[in-house]
Amino acid sequence: QKEVEQDPGPLSVPEGAIVSLNCTYSNSAFQYFMWYRQYSRKGPELLMYTYSSGNKEDGRFTAQVDKSSKYISLFIRDSQPSDSATYLCAMNSGGYNKLIFGAGTRLAVHP
Amino acid sequence: DTGVSQNPRHKITKRGQNVTFRCDPISEHNRLYWYRQTLGQGPEFLTYFQNEAQLEKSRLLSDRFSAERPKGSFSTLEIQRTEQGDSAMYLCASSLLGTDDPEAFFGQGTRLTVV
Repeated sequence: QKEVEQDPGPLSVPEGAIVSLNCTYSNSAFQYFMWYRQYSRKGPELLMYTYSSGNKEDGRFTAQVDKSSKYISLFIRDSQPSDSATYLCAMNSGGYNKLIFGAGTRLAVHP
Repeated sequence: DTGVSQNPRHKITKRGQNVTFRCDPISEHNRLYWYRQTLGQGPEFLTYFQNEAQLEKSRLLSDRFSAERPKGSFSTLEIQRTEQGDSAMYLCASSLLGTDDPEAFFGQGTRLTVV
């Protein structure tokens, strides 16, 4: 069993929809939880991160962490075609920041 | 500063050849990481440098792989006697020691194809 599980999708939604992306994990030592966006043949780009449990909002993006359930989510409001990409969750226990990634969920937002 | 730079962007090599990739991190960043990403998977950690010291290597980093970071600046990743299974995107990331910010910035990657 992988330390971080993420549904690979693909997920196809119409423009303007609310998108929910999720990951589960098994290592209770994880403290930082990140969401990266990766366009085809590009490097990952950090969208946002959360420390420990709670919510964090940045524009159309909201990240949630539930450490009791070992479950994290990323919500995208008013999705746009430019949001079409692969979304990777990643986490670590702090320190020197070796990241453990999920497999990524491929999202397509169609006009 | 233009971010993390990786060269070359693409490399096609014949099985058995040696290849070397270069990563230039963000100038003030003293932490540098190498990851490998195969199609449909997330990046997997390979190795980590703090300044010039290589502090951790993954089990994925077989003895055909070697990484260096002389003088704590740029880093190189060499693969000797390449195999078809080495075909992947090799990603470099850097971050700054001494802050609470865990953000690691990734380069665009080097895509290796072994034929």
